[in-house]
Amino acid sequence: TQLLEQSPQFLSIQEGENLTVYCNSSSVFSSLQWYRQEPGEGPVLLVTVVTGGEVKKLKRLTFQFGDARKDSSLHITAAQPGDTGLYLCAGPSGSARQLTFGSGTQLTVLP
Amino acid sequence: DVKVTQSSRYLVKRTGEKVFLECVQDMDHENMFWYRQDPGLGLRLIYFSYDVKMKEKGDIPEGYSVSREKKERFSLILESASTNQTSMYLCASSFLRGGSKNIQYFGAGTRLSVL
Repeated sequence: TQLLEQSPQFLSIQEGENLTVYCNSSSVFSSLQWYRQEPGEGPVLLVTVVTGGEVKKLKRLTFQFGDARKDSSLHITAAQPGDTGLYLCAGPSGSARQLTFGSGTQLTVLP
Repeated sequence: DVKVTQSSRYLVKRTGEKVFLECVQDMDHENMFWYRQDPGLGLRLIYFSYDVKMKEKGDIPEGYSVSREKKERFSLILESASTNQTSMYLCASSFLRGGSKNIQYFGAGTRLSVL
């Protein structure tokens, strides 16, 4: 079973600060996804990274896939209260139709 | 937009009751999944289905069963609910192909409390 470990588990910051959360594995993944789950809702896909070393930007969010495709990071610049939520990384597993999810990083951005 | 609808947002049941959680998707997705979400444990796969009347066990199937009689509907059944099944349950669906195109669309979740 391929495992994904996320850190930190909890993060509470002030509005305007920058932050980085991490998703690590001892296994190689063909791709990794990042989802965000807001309170009372299900997770929603933010981005998929496919190529080792790839960097994708989504407004103030920057996603990076490690060169060896074993890890990924999410950097948020100038965080806003609307960024509050649970951030989950996920990678293909089993028949590749399934996903393995990390345990998540709970981010709280205080106004 | 893809819509995955779970029949209940909140449920309170008694120990030993039979519980049905319903999930419907409107995008003709082949794959459907049931997860439970507990603090610090992420999403753990209970069961999934690739086709009508087809089911596969996930990582934690004990105490659960599923039914998929129609492509759009996937039901999770707790035959005899126990307190350790108190959790958030999430349903998801996706298209048949996997790999990097494997985007899962989630319902809003059902928070189940077993007393």
